Amino acid sequence: GIQVEQSPPDLILQEGANSTLRCNFSDSVNNLQWFHQNPWGQLINLFYIPSGTKQNGRLSATTVATERYSLLYISSSQTTDSGVYFCAVDPRGSNYQLIWGAGTKLIIKP
Amino acid sequence: DSGVTQTPKHLITATGQRVTLRCSPRSGDLSVYWYQQSLDQGLQFLIQYYNGEERAKGNILERFSAQQFPDLHSELNLSSLELGDSALYFCASSGGGPYTDTQYFGPGTRLTVL
Repeated sequence: GIQVEQSPPDLILQEGANSTLRCNFSDSVNNLQWFHQNPWGQLINLFYIPSGTKQNGRLSATTVATERYSLLYISSSQTTDSGVYFCAVDPRGSNYQLIWGAGTKLIIKP
Repeated sequence: DSGVTQTPKHLITATGQRVTLRCSPRSGDLSVYWYQQSLDQGLQFLIQYYNGEERAKGNILERFSAQQFPDLHSELNLSSLELGDSALYFCASSGGGPYTDTQYFGPGTRLTVL
């Protein structure tokens, strides 16, 4: 089956720094989603991005489907950005389930 | 607030027992997904329902079962509970198109099996 790998596994930054999180996938996908799980456990959908670039405030995401990767950019980090960022893909020919990466744990220090 | 509700928020029970977790999707969403997240782990997809019918099945144990009712709320039943079943159980909902749609997650039910 498809493999979804996220890097780095852990990232510690000072408030105000920028960061780039990467998601590689091993096969063609119908779509890709980025999620943020905050330290209290709540999962929030950030982007639904099968291809191209989207922006939402300080966050933006780019998916290059032909090269099988997606990037999540966080600019001017705030402590509220801390948590785990997951990417999840819907593989071509799948049975409607998302395949999840292991996540990138981000800690923003004040 | 995602619009997806889950009850209860916390559940503590003993091995061998049976529990039921409940989920109400966002208004208008037809699909409901159940996930299990063990401590410091990623999400494991369990099962998906679309408009009352099972649509996809993941790594769901035979001791677990689920259903989606005519009003579109869903219940996940966990029986013969073991210590290893302790986890955060999430429900998510989406509109339900030909592919997986944007998923909106509930706050989760934290299950502790003693």
